[in-house]
This record gives sequence, structure tokens and C-alpha cells, in this order.
Amino acid sequence: ETGVTQTPRHLVMGMTNKKSLKCEQHLGHNAMYWYKQSAKKPLELMFVYSLEERVENNSVPSRFSPECPNSSHLFLHLHTLQPEDSALYLCASTYSVNTEAFFGQGTRLTVV
Amino acid sequence: LAKTTQPISMDSYEGQEVNITCSHNNIATNDYITWYQQFPSQGPRFIIQGYKTKVTNEVASLFIPADRKSSTLSLPRVSLSDTAVYYCLVGGSGSARQLTFGSGTQLTVLP
Repeated sequence: ETGVTQTPRHLVMGMTNKKSLKCEQHLGHNAMYWYKQSAKKPLELMFVYSLEERVENNSVPSRFSPECPNSSHLFLHLHTLQPEDSALYLCASTYSVNTEAFFGQGTRLTVV
Repeated sequence: LAKTTQPISMDSYEGQEVNITCSHNNIATNDYITWYQQFPSQGPRFIIQGYKTKVTNEVASLFIPADRKSSTLSLPRVSLSDTAVYYCLVGGSGSARQLTFGSGTQLTVLP
């Protein structure tokens, strides 16, 4: 257990569905991250929230929409996804931007 | 953001010491070097972090030469369970982009 919890662990959704991924940490960290990892590929940094304000967006398609209501919770809202969006989505948190990152177990997303 | 270069893969045998080297020629003065380990279908796990010379913890050692343009992760006496992808990250200048992962090194430990 890393102290970062992601739900659900597995998700299958159709291309017309809307779903949300949830990440929660109670480590007192101030920055949270979303990553996408496709099969046998490196992690791709999608979004970063520092002190609840988005500070990084690496040109992720608008069908992915992050939300960070407070420093302990992070959501990734999904709508009209494509099959190529199937991947492992990982959440991480850090106390500050240059300290050890703690990762959740990830959500395995399959778009059909 | 300093770019890192690591070998794509390495093989080793149980009980051996494994050294994985990472090149980071344009490392900045205030950058730290951090290594993570990732098993399939899991999130990466922090292994060790250093700034210069040598750092050791219960899992690994990190060697950083004086010019800091490279670093070497040393895993003593590896076991089959050390088979994983190892990532070298360089950052710490205050930008959240320091958590940008490269391709990593796939270490396979053979019996």
C-alpha cells in the first residue's frame, strides 16, 4: 500500500459512455498527477495539479478532463473515448514537485 | 528538462550485482537524480534519490560522479523478484515536469 488509492481497478467502457476515474491520497501531499501507460510503453504525463491548480497539460485530447476539488482527491473524467485510449491510468502524488512520488495501483481501462 | 539515456534492457543472474547507468549530460545545478522501479501493471515505486557522490539505502546504492552527467544504480545480489523496469529521472528545479519518465531499462533476472 502506497497511500494512494485508485478506483476502479478495472473499467470497460463503450466509446459513447461517460465515466470517471478517482484517485485519493491522505498523505498530506500537495501535488497530484495523472499518467497514461499503453502496453509496453513508458508513462506519459497527462496532467499535474499543484495546490489544486492545474500547472501542466501535455496536449491531452479534450475527451480527458481532470478535476481536483481538493488536495486529497483527483478525478479524470472520460467521454467519447477511442479504442486507442485503452491503457493503464496511473495517479501519483508528491509532497512538493521535487520529492518522492507515490503511485496508485492504476486503473486498467478498456474501450470497446 | 534534462534528457536521460538508459540501456533498453539488461539480463543478470540471481545473486549477482547489477549496475544500471543513466546518462544526463545537461543536468541542471539544482536537479536531483531519482530512480524508480516498475512491475507490470503496477505503478512505479521510488527506489533512491541523490544529488552527488554516493547514496545508499536498504535496497540500492546510487553512484554519481563529480560532473553529475551520469549516475549508476547498483542493486546488490539480485533475485528473480527484481525483474522489472527501472527508470532514471532528473529534475527538481521546481517544475512538476520533473516527473517525466523516459523509456527505462528492462532488467531480467535469470535463475
